[in-house]
Parts: sequence; C-alpha cells; structure tokens
Amino acid sequence: DGGITQSPKYLFRKEGQNVTLSCEQNLNHDAMYWYRQDPGQGLRLIYYSQIVNDFQKGDIAEGYSVSREKKESFPLTVTSAQKNPTAFYLCASSARVGNQPQHFGDGTRLSIL
Amino acid sequence: AQSVTQLGSHVSVSEGALVLLRCNYSSSVPPYLFWYVQYPNQGLQLLLKYTTGATLVKGINGFEAEFKKSETSFHLTKPSAHMSDAAEYFCAVSDRTFGNEKLTFGTGTRLTIIP
Repeated sequence: DGGITQSPKYLFRKEGQNVTLSCEQNLNHDAMYWYRQDPGQGLRLIYYSQIVNDFQKGDIAEGYSVSREKKESFPLTVTSAQKNPTAFYLCASSARVGNQPQHFGDGTRLSIL
Repeated sequence: AQSVTQLGSHVSVSEGALVLLRCNYSSSVPPYLFWYVQYPNQGLQLLLKYTTGATLVKGINGFEAEFKKSETSFHLTKPSAHMSDAAEYFCAVSDRTFGNEKLTFGTGTRLTIIP
C-alpha cells in the first residue's frame, strides 16, 4: 500500500543537540510538507517542497532545516536554535494540484530531556 | 491571506445525536475545502473535500458537509453520533491558484461522545 512513513515515532532531544526526523513517501507525490502541532493551535506549516532540490519556508521555519534530494524523502532537522521543540510533527505529501488532498504520516513526537 | 475559523474547540454530543462541527473561511474567492479527522497520536485522515459541483459532499464514516458560499461556511455533520467518532476534527482550505497547494488549517474541534 502507498503511504507516508515517519520515523521515529518518539524522539528525545538533549539541550544543544540537533535531531533529524525522517519522512518517506511512495505515493509519487511532487509536494511534501512539514507541520508542527501544539495543543489548541492546529497545524502550523514549517517547510514545504514542491519539487526535488527546492523548498520554501512556511510560517514557523526558524530553528528548523530541511532537504529534498530525492522525490521520496523530505527529512526535517530540528536544530539547537529551536528553543521550544517539544511538539508533535507531521509530514504530508500531495500532488501539485490544489484540489487534491494532502496525505499524512503518523507523526513523530519530540520531547526534551 | 486565507483564514479558517472553527467555532468551538470542544463539542460534546450524546451517542445517537446529531453531530455539527462548524467551519467558516475568509477568502475573496471560494477555496478548495477539506475536513480531516485525527485520532490520538496519529496523523490526519481525509473525511471529505469540496472542489466544485454539488455543494453537499458526502465523506467516509457517514459524515457530510455543505458548502455555502453566501455564508462562507463548510460545516460538518453526521446524523447519528457513534462512540468511534470521538476524535479531533480539522477544517482546512487551499487556494485555487495553480502551484499554491498549501493548506491553511483551523485550530481544530475535539469531539467527545457521551454514552
């Protein structure tokens, strides 16, 4: 079955440490997205990519970085500059057509040690 | 910029009662409209979408939503609530402009079903 795989499901970060969240899709989608979810705030867009080797900042990109070297993969790095990284992170993908829905992975929950 | 408002961060209904979750958008041009459901510690699953055509849209799990342009609304309903409907529901919109597929989400409504 086609879908989006996020790993790990749970991740712990020490102070001053960078951590990388993995997102892989086999839906042949061009566009991929990273969201941060905090209680009561809905989903906020961190970064998105519409094509390989290109990506744009979303609404809350500070303290995060991404790469898009392959169509299937869109890893997110939470850097030490992100002072409040504890959240649920969701990856999504879609075709590059606005009337098509985004498909979501099952998320990674990041906590601070 | 588009925005989405979901009235009521928490809604409780009795099992078997009508479910009504409200969503209003602000956009000069009607956007594409989506409802997603999220169960605890999981990703979002598409319930239904409106892009064009018939304004009453049927989705999975017995849910439906009606697009009302004059009211800029896309409320989600289900005639009879089931315990398995307990979850968080998100309304989202995307621009009709080609190459701008980003979604703007509401803040969500947590639905509780009372036995």
